[in-house]
Amino acid sequence: GAVVSQHPSWVICKSGTSVKIECRSLDFQATTMFWYRQFPKQSLMLMATSNEGSKATYEQGVEKDKFLINHASLTLSTLTVTSAHPEDSSFYICSASLRAYGDEQFFGPGTRLTVL
Amino acid sequence: SQKIEQNSEALNIQEGKTATLTCNYTNYSPAYLQWYRQDPGRGPVFLLLIRENEKEKRKERLKVTFDTTLKQSLFHITASQPADSATYLCALDTGTASKLTFGTGTRLQVTL
Repeated sequence: GAVVSQHPSWVICKSGTSVKIECRSLDFQATTMFWYRQFPKQSLMLMATSNEGSKATYEQGVEKDKFLINHASLTLSTLTVTSAHPEDSSFYICSASLRAYGDEQFFGPGTRLTVL
Repeated sequence: SQKIEQNSEALNIQEGKTATLTCNYTNYSPAYLQWYRQDPGRGPVFLLLIRENEKEKRKERLKVTFDTTLKQSLFHITASQPADSATYLCALDTGTASKLTFGTGTRLQVTL
């Protein structure tokens, strides 16, 4: 079945540094990839929608200059948290969809980011 | 405003019983609704998708109903097992390119 991986699974960084998270679809080409953020005991909040070869579409309230998304191929999307601050500490999860609409999403295992 | 509500309190049931989880929504007109399972520290795993023209869908011990008049979906796990213990999330499509909006989830605890 469709498998999505994320790397790293966890990362600790100092305030002010940048962190890159990779999301790969291992055995399929993803039409669209999504990036979510999840705070403890809260639900997933969609941050942005990423399509290969085009600019990501960010949700309202998400700073596009802080959360840089690059979707270089049909199997790889990256999220870079720039100038990270402690309030950016969260669980970041990506997902990929096979078809453009009306389909399940395959989620990665998530990346736990802790900013000191 | 748009809302997706799931019972925020944990649901505790005994092994072998049927667990029923509720997802209510307001100010949405979803074409389909999905249910996911999430274990602590892990990404969600897809379980079932039901479309607006479907009343019920089943998969092994799982059953989902979708009532667009009541704006409600019910998720049932029959013959529940301790391994079913997890948080269950409902998600609605927003009508735009597979974007989903998730509910807050309900934690299910199945005890022996």
